[in-house]
Amino acid sequence: AAGVIQSPRHLIKEKRETATLKCYPIPRHDTVYWYQQGPGQDPQFLISFYEKMQSDKGSIPDRFSAQQFSDYHSELNMSSLELGDSALYFCASSLAGEMLEQYFGPGTRLTVT
Amino acid sequence: AQKVTQAQTEISVVEKEDVTLDCVYETRDTTYYLFWYKQPPSGELVFLIRRNSFDEQNEISGRYSWNFQKSTSSFNFTITASQVVDSAVYFCALRRSGGGADGLTFGKGTHLIIQP
Repeated sequence: AAGVIQSPRHLIKEKRETATLKCYPIPRHDTVYWYQQGPGQDPQFLISFYEKMQSDKGSIPDRFSAQQFSDYHSELNMSSLELGDSALYFCASSLAGEMLEQYFGPGTRLTVT
Repeated sequence: AQKVTQAQTEISVVEKEDVTLDCVYETRDTTYYLFWYKQPPSGELVFLIRRNSFDEQNEISGRYSWNFQKSTSSFNFTITASQVVDSAVYFCALRRSGGGADGLTFGKGTHLIIQP
């Protein structure tokens, strides 16, 4: 079965640079979520989109922005990168509705030097 | 505010032992959803189970079983006859019933080590 695709899988950036992470949801899934997992930490919810509209917002820094496009893929844009942004970034997708679980992609490992 | 507590930071058992991972949650919502995810060393998050707050039936799936008790706000996970491949970090998570694309609130995770 098709899964969530994230690209790139690994990314190395320097401080103050910009990064863009991409997420392609499972076919027919219309909802996308972004999470950040620091080393040894639990995943922290950043933001979600349903039908291209922002749906829920978590602890996303102002330096980050995201959007969902007409084909339902999503991009997370991160500017003025800081060392503390080094983390594993997960995208998850689901079908809209109360009772459906979120399926996670393999993650993008971002290292800021 | 929602909160998930996994008090066991790390558990180490010998293969074939049974092991229970504890999860206690806090929420003001009357309807909510609980999840367990597995994160093996390779890093991906694998969905294991979802439980709705209005369904307190326990569930068994092979060697895995889940005990949901609303009265104690707990959703514990038991692995029977553990295997080395069960070694991973296990996260319990909570989602409110907001009708939208609500994010999950995760516990800190329990690192399960199964020794051969």
